[in-house]
Amino acid sequence: EVVLTQSPDFQSVTPKEKVTITCRASQTIGYNLHWYQQKPDQSPKLLIKYASQSISGVPSRFSGSGSGTDFTLTINSLEAEDAAAYYCHQSNSFPQTFGQGTRLEIK
Amino acid sequence: EVQLVESGGDLVQPGRSLRLSCTVSGVTFGDYAMSWFRQAPGKGLEWVGLIRSNIYGGTTQYAASVRGRFTISRDDSKSIAYLQMNSLKIEDTAVYYCGRGSAFFDYWGQGTLVTVSS
Repeated sequence: EVVLTQSPDFQSVTPKEKVTITCRASQTIGYNLHWYQQKPDQSPKLLIKYASQSISGVPSRFSGSGSGTDFTLTINSLEAEDAAAYYCHQSNSFPQTFGQGTRLEIK
Repeated sequence: EVQLVESGGDLVQPGRSLRLSCTVSGVTFGDYAMSWFRQAPGKGLEWVGLIRSNIYGGTTQYAASVRGRFTISRDDSKSIAYLQMNSLKIEDTAVYYCGRGSAFFDYWGQGTLVTVSS
């Protein structure tokens, strides 16, 4: 099973700050890594697919990079509405797995 | 507009069964794989399993934690995906979500709560 480890677990940030969340896979997964945002009491929302591909309707301040075992989600110029939990997810092999999540708090 | 709506969540005793439904509208259901996930209270997301479209044989994959107890099926004529859960355990307590797709999930339902307790 591929274990995805996100860092940090929690971050308190101010609006307009740049945020970087990392996701490290326990074995190489190519570009088969996707990012989701989950706001309190809501369903997850797809932000980035295949490591770096943008999703229609998702603000351009969200971007992804990486391949193999190391991946990054970057949020440029954070907005108050970005307060949420963020999860990486791998679809390279079964069972598919999620990272433990990163919770962003807006100061 | 694509919509996924889960239903069937309930309070059940350990060892009992429950079937969840995921009704899909706004898209040709038969063209897509469907996946199930769960989220225990205050915890992260867990992939439960998926069913491929019948074009790809309608085959299934499951997480080890549910394999042999849970079964995913689909009825393309009704645009519904099912999650049959047998021999439920206390640790199966969670909000269960369905999602469209097999690799990434661009549409999700709102979730349905399953509570396993005596």
